[in-house]
Amino acid sequence: AQSVTQLGSHVSVSEGALVLLRCNYSSSVPPYLFWYVQYPNQGLQLLLKYTSAATLVKGINGFEAEFKKSETSFHLTKPSAHMSDAAEYFCAVSDTQAGTALIFGKGTTLSVSS
Amino acid sequence: DVKVTQSSRYLVKRTGEKVFLECVQDMDHENMFWYRQDPGLGLRLIYFSYDVKMKEKGDIPEGYSVSREKKERFSLILESASTNQTSMYLCASSLWDAGYTFGSGTRLTVV
Repeated sequence: AQSVTQLGSHVSVSEGALVLLRCNYSSSVPPYLFWYVQYPNQGLQLLLKYTSAATLVKGINGFEAEFKKSETSFHLTKPSAHMSDAAEYFCAVSDTQAGTALIFGKGTTLSVSS
Repeated sequence: DVKVTQSSRYLVKRTGEKVFLECVQDMDHENMFWYRQDPGLGLRLIYFSYDVKMKEKGDIPEGYSVSREKKERFSLILESASTNQTSMYLCASSLWDAGYTFGSGTRLTVV
């Protein structure tokens, strides 16, 4: 069975600092991996996705993530945090069988201080 | 602009009521999903559908049912609402091998 673990339910950074949100997955087949962001009182928005092409994936708003098979990880990074990045972030996995529902992690809340 | 529309942003219902949550997408997507979101638990899959009149149970289907009579509409039904079903409900749709498009969510309170 697939699963996703997000390490750290809450991460705090200063504006301009590196953002690192951790995600580890478990999957018996090559996975598809996703990061979503949720701003207060809104639905989830796709940040980026990995679907077995390049291992370094660039997304919107300056975020990127690297797929590391040996570490079963898909950590999300951004070189310089902005106040507007404060939100909840979810990692999700599905296997490569078409149409399988996504399994989400429990989320990480990112706080950015000035 | 393509979207997934959930009919209500906020809903308050009484214990024992039958509750309908509606979701409509205008992207001609085959797949539609219902999740509930609770603090500290992330998103948990309730039901999903790959085609009209098809449905599959997710991880927490108990107390819920769904209906998909048309491709664009996927309804979640709480047969007899209970206080432990107070939650944020998120609908999503997708094409094969693509990410989801989410609605804005319905915050349901059962009193």
